[in-house]
Amino acid sequence: GQSLEQPSEVTAVEGAIVQINCTYQTSGFYGLSWYQQHDGGAPTFLSYNALDGLEETGRFSSFLSRSDSYGYLLLQELQMKDSASYFCAVVTGKLIFGQGTTLQVKP
Amino acid sequence: KAGVTQTPRYLIKTRGQQVTLSCSPISGHRSVSWYQQTPGQGLQFLFEYFSETQRNKGNFPGRFSGRQFSNSRSEMNVSTLELGDSALYLCASSLKGPSGANVLTFGAGSRLTVL
Repeated sequence: GQSLEQPSEVTAVEGAIVQINCTYQTSGFYGLSWYQQHDGGAPTFLSYNALDGLEETGRFSSFLSRSDSYGYLLLQELQMKDSASYFCAVVTGKLIFGQGTTLQVKP
Repeated sequence: KAGVTQTPRYLIKTRGQQVTLSCSPISGHRSVSWYQQTPGQGLQFLFEYFSETQRNKGNFPGRFSGRQFSNSRSEMNVSTLELGDSALYLCASSLKGPSGANVLTFGAGSRLTVL
């Protein structure tokens, strides 16, 4: 089967850097995606890693290591509006999501 | 351009009833996939349609079904509702489907409550 594990909650202060880890067990996939979901809102796409290494998009970066079955999302210069749930997902022809990490940013 | 539109946004049903949810994808998007979101189980894949054909299916009972029309609009149906079917049902559209770097755009969801 396929499964992904993420921490359930992470707390950080405004302006800080936070890393949300995602470990997975899957037999073959196109890549790893990250989605953000604010309370009551729809998930929105953040980033995608097809190859090992770091992808940077503004304040957000995402990393993938296929050999370690591991990825992470790095959020820099945290803002209050970054408080949301973050989901990693393996792309296999369908998206298999992790349980999500709730990030709380405090002033 | 208009986003993904899901209707109805909220609905309440009783056990044993059936429900039909609708999803209108972004214009030009041919793939529609459906997800069930619950606090305990997270986001779970239901099925994906492309050009009116179901291409992938998740691990849900046969009470959950769907279809896609020639204009790419999609519907999902849940028959013989159970309390555990209470969830947010999300629809996502994309150009080609959830493969590679193809980005999924989600609708706001239909929140179903089963009493």
